[in-house]
Amino acid sequence: QAVLTQPSSLSASPGASASLTCTLRTGINVANYRIYWYQQKPGSPPHFLLSYKSDSDKQQGSGVPSRFSGSKDTSANAGILLISGLRSEDEADYYCMIYYGSPVVFGGGTKLTVL
Amino acid sequence: QVTLKESGPALVKPTQTLTLTCTFSGFSLSTPLMRVNWIRQSPGKALEWLARIDWDDDKIYSTSLKTRLTISKDTSTNRVVLTMTNMDPVDTATYYCARVRAGHDYFDYWGQGTLVTVSS
Repeated sequence: QAVLTQPSSLSASPGASASLTCTLRTGINVANYRIYWYQQKPGSPPHFLLSYKSDSDKQQGSGVPSRFSGSKDTSANAGILLISGLRSEDEADYYCMIYYGSPVVFGGGTKLTVL
Repeated sequence: QVTLKESGPALVKPTQTLTLTCTFSGFSLSTPLMRVNWIRQSPGKALEWLARIDWDDDKIYSTSLKTRLTISKDTSTNRVVLTMTNMDPVDTATYYCARVRAGHDYFDYWGQGTLVTVSS
């Protein structure tokens, strides 16, 4: 079982909200980890969006709009990237990351389609 | 202005050793807590972290690739070099270098990446 699991794809409509999940492997408690989120568009390197550990311990990337936000679902042992007011330019791949073991682990990525 | 740029061969043969260079500007790897990482991405696949070198020359490697990787730095020329031995077609990927700024823990600047194909 992978350390971080992300759905491979997600579709949402312009103006709607999209909730991207990053589920930690059983035995790795999401409450103890800061979850990092990166956005990658075709042909470009990833771009840091934000990190989230708790409501009092989070960081927004430079220039990243507030419609990108992080949270956790402790019951699902998952980190969440919420994108509100979806725009066509939000169509991209999104990767979660934690410091664990290797010491860095990335999720498999979610391809977000805005249509 | 912070920039990083990867360079190296576009094509290597199986079993050969790959040497990649990350040339950066706008910061110094002598600055305490500064770090440079290597990350790769196979075509159409997810990101995979490979290695990191710190301002104090501390080095950390991916557990799964540790025996094949060596990372080093030259602070006088602002370069970080990654070597990977015994290359295999599964190592075909875009290789990125990325910075972690002093006092932070995320990759804030990335190079554009360099595509390395492993084929005979």
